[in-house]
Amino acid sequence: AQSVTQLGSHVSVSEGALVLLRCNYSSSVPPYLFWYVQYPNQGLQLLLKYTSAATLVKGINGFEAEFKKSETSFHLTKPSAHMSDAAEYFCAVQAGGSYIPTFGRGTSLIVHP
Amino acid sequence: KAGVTQTPRYLIKTRGQQVTLSCSPISGHRSVSWYQQTPGQGLQFLFEYFSETQRNKGNFPGRFSGRQFSNSRSEMNVSTLELGDSALYLCASTEGTGGNANEQFFGPGTRLTVL
Repeated sequence: AQSVTQLGSHVSVSEGALVLLRCNYSSSVPPYLFWYVQYPNQGLQLLLKYTSAATLVKGINGFEAEFKKSETSFHLTKPSAHMSDAAEYFCAVQAGGSYIPTFGRGTSLIVHP
Repeated sequence: KAGVTQTPRYLIKTRGQQVTLSCSPISGHRSVSWYQQTPGQGLQFLFEYFSETQRNKGNFPGRFSGRQFSNSRSEMNVSTLELGDSALYLCASTEGTGGNANEQFFGPGTRLTVL
């Protein structure tokens, strides 16, 4: 079984501030982990994915995430928020031969000028 | 490569009617998944088709059905529409083989409103 918990349905930051979106997963076997972003009226787009090659994963638009097995976490960070980062972010886990990822409930990132 | 396309983008129906949504995956992708997205329930998995066969199914009533054609295009049908079926329906495609690392490529969605 696999599951994902995203802490905080809304995160608000000022432009230029650090972005931290939290994701904790549960999986009985080594997982693959993903972060997706959804802009208004659009589908989801892959930001980055962890496939066991490296624990620190760099993605598009300056985002990165670190896989921490001991904490079962895969938090998403960006050093400096931009207004264009305002969107919904989804963490997903896929493991154990499943072809279907399990998505978290999503975190809405709000960026203030 | 062209992305995942979904038609129509917007749809308004009344209770009791039925609706068919269409999804064309990325060329070469054999797996198509459907999701329902609502503010209250988030992203919920409906079903997945691979090579014209339903390979995985979520926990939705039988009013929700789908199919996949030989060219990998997929359709989703909802019969006897209810107000609660109002949602954004997302289609995603992937190669469908080779393990768990395949990312899903999403279409822009069909916004269904049931009145």
